[in-house]
Amino acid sequence: ETGVTQTPRHLVMGMTNKKSLKCEQHLGHNAMYWYKQSAKKPLELMFVYNFKEQTENNSVPSRFSPECPNSSHLFLHLHTLQPEDSALYLCASSQERTGYYGYTFGSGTRLTVV
Amino acid sequence: AQKVTQAQTEISVVEKEDVTLDCVYETRDTTYYLFWYKQPPSGELVFLIRRNSFDEQNEISGRYSWNFQKSTSSFNFTITASQVVDSAVYFCALSAYYNQGGKLIFGQGTELSVKP
Repeated sequence: ETGVTQTPRHLVMGMTNKKSLKCEQHLGHNAMYWYKQSAKKPLELMFVYNFKEQTENNSVPSRFSPECPNSSHLFLHLHTLQPEDSALYLCASSQERTGYYGYTFGSGTRLTVV
Repeated sequence: AQKVTQAQTEISVVEKEDVTLDCVYETRDTTYYLFWYKQPPSGELVFLIRRNSFDEQNEISGRYSWNFQKSTSSFNFTITASQVVDSAVYFCALSAYYNQGGKLIFGQGTELSVKP
């Protein structure tokens, strides 16, 4: 596979559930990102990882817990979410932490919290 | 501070019309990069173009064209003879080292609806 792959594509979870989103890239990129996109709203950067190390956390609530075991994989662990957390969650990667060459995005996970 | 402004939130056109999506950016860097991405209903952001600050030549790719003007800090995107398949949200983005370490800064997006 090439590009950035996100699984699952759709997820419905209750507020007491625990679930994880997975992102995988086979591009040899060193930086990975999680974005949240709520309906009719702009992209919100959540986390940035560079060479597996977290370099940015944009005041994201602790019910979202990222994990980056290696430069190719990125997870977003979810627990006790709220209905307002329903959104499209996008993963992206880039060659380096700067965006000079742009980011490559996955197709996203559409999350619905009930 | 760095910023990207897409003042048009939503645009609706009829098929075959030409449409221009505006993008205005702010940066103190002299070296920077500008991008356009397309987000169809499927969700994935698709890369369309990358332009560096030293290249002000306009670019044409099929029905798509881009007008980069440093004097007005604008990087506008025109679709000629629009088609229903062009319906999507379009994002303009900026990467410049100063203050943000080169991180990609996105505009708020313009939702284009092309009706048959």
